[in-house]
Amino acid sequence: GQNIDQPTEMTATEGAIVQINCTYQTSGFNGLFWYQQHAGEAPTFLSYNVLDGLEEKGRFSSFLSRSKGYSYLLLKELQMKDSASYLCAVMDSNYQLIWGAGTKLIIKP
Amino acid sequence: GAVVSQHPSRVICKSGTSVKIECRSLDFQATTMFWYRQFPKKSLMLMATSNEGSKATYEQGVEKDKFLINHASLTLSTLTVTSAHPEDSSFYICSARDSLGGQTEAFFGQGTRLTVV
Repeated sequence: GQNIDQPTEMTATEGAIVQINCTYQTSGFNGLFWYQQHAGEAPTFLSYNVLDGLEEKGRFSSFLSRSKGYSYLLLKELQMKDSASYLCAVMDSNYQLIWGAGTKLIIKP
Repeated sequence: GAVVSQHPSRVICKSGTSVKIECRSLDFQATTMFWYRQFPKKSLMLMATSNEGSKATYEQGVEKDKFLINHASLTLSTLTVTSAHPEDSSFYICSARDSLGGQTEAFFGQGTRLTVV
C-alpha cells in the first residue's frame, strides 16, 4: 500500500531552525510537495522536489532523496506566524497526490 | 501563481437538503480537478478526481450518488452534497491542475466549511 509518514507534532523556538521529516512508500513517483496549512484554511504550496537534492526558497528549504524515500522541510529564522501544520504529499504514477497526516508545528517565543 | 476560487467559504444547511460547492480556475485551464475532504486533525482525504468532460473517478468508500461531481468546463467543477446529514459536516477543498499543459503543481481553492444541522 501507499504510505507517507511524518511526525504528528513538533515544537520549536522563535528565531530557531526546525526540520520536518517525511518518509514515503508509493506506487510510482512524480514529485514530492510540501504544503503549509493554517487552521481552518486550505493548504498553500511551499515547495516541489522531483530530483534529489536541496531546493532553497527564502527561509524554507526542501530536500529529497528518492533512493531513500525521504524528504525534509527546513524552516529557518522561525517566526510566530510559521505555527501551522505542514503537509507532505507525493504525486504517484497516476498523478494523484498521496497525503501525509501533517505535522503540527508549534512556535514558542 | 494560478488562482482557484472556491465558493462558498462557509455554508450551514438543514439535514436532508442539498448543497452545491463551486470550484473555478481563474487564469488557467483546469483539465483535472480533485475534491478533498478534511476531518479535524486529519490529513486530506481524496474523494474523487475528475477530468473535464468525463465522469469523475471516485475513491473507494465515497458514495458517488451522494457526492455529485460535475466538471463540464475547463474552468468550473462543482461538488453537490445531496441529502446532507450531520456526519457530512466537514471541510471540503478542491484543487485544480492543468494536466494537459504539463502543470505538475495542483492549486487549491480556499475550502468550504459545511455544517449540517
